[in-house]
Amino acid sequence: AQSVTQPDIHITVSEGASLELRCNYSYGATPYLFWYVQSPGQGLQLLLKYFSGDTLVQGIKGFEAEFKRSQSSFNLRKPSVHWSDAAEYFCAVGPNTGNQFYFGTGTSLTVIP
Amino acid sequence: ETGVTQTPRHLVMGMTNKKSLKCEQHLGHNAMYWYKQSAKKPLELMFVYNFKEQTENNSVPSRFSPECPNSSHLFLHLHTLQPEDSALYLCASSRGGGTNEKLFFGSGTQLSVL
Repeated sequence: AQSVTQPDIHITVSEGASLELRCNYSYGATPYLFWYVQSPGQGLQLLLKYFSGDTLVQGIKGFEAEFKRSQSSFNLRKPSVHWSDAAEYFCAVGPNTGNQFYFGTGTSLTVIP
Repeated sequence: ETGVTQTPRHLVMGMTNKKSLKCEQHLGHNAMYWYKQSAKKPLELMFVYNFKEQTENNSVPSRFSPECPNSSHLFLHLHTLQPEDSALYLCASSRGGGTNEKLFFGSGTQLSVL
């Protein structure tokens, strides 16, 4: 069965510190992988996506993610966190055809000064 | 501004009420979605419309009734809801056509059922 696991419910980091949010997926075919961010009271915004090719993908706001097929992971990273990065982050997996996207439960990020 | 607008932003309703959520997208997309977001649970896909045709219905109770009159508008009609239906309801759109693209989300309707 297809699923996405985000093991960390909540993470707190200091401003300027590096960040890594974990995502593991279970999928029966070649996955298309996404990271979305949700600010309070807002919908989800796409940060980056992986379809094929280079396993290290760059996204908006200085985020990047690395696809590791052997570990079924797609972890999100940022070298230096800003206070405005405080939000909820969702990992998602989708098919190469069709509309069925599967989301994780999200990781809430708090940034302390 | 994502190009996907949802109204109302907040809705409080009793279990015997009938209400509707509205979603409008100005992106020229052909696929529209309803998701339910509950605390500490993954986003739950409820319905998908591709070119105005419903292509997904993930075992959603009949008290939720979607309507897609055209590719730009999507409604979710609500009646005799239960308190456990309280959640954030998100609308999304994508280019559609069976290929995989990113979703554009609206800001959601926060629904409280009393």
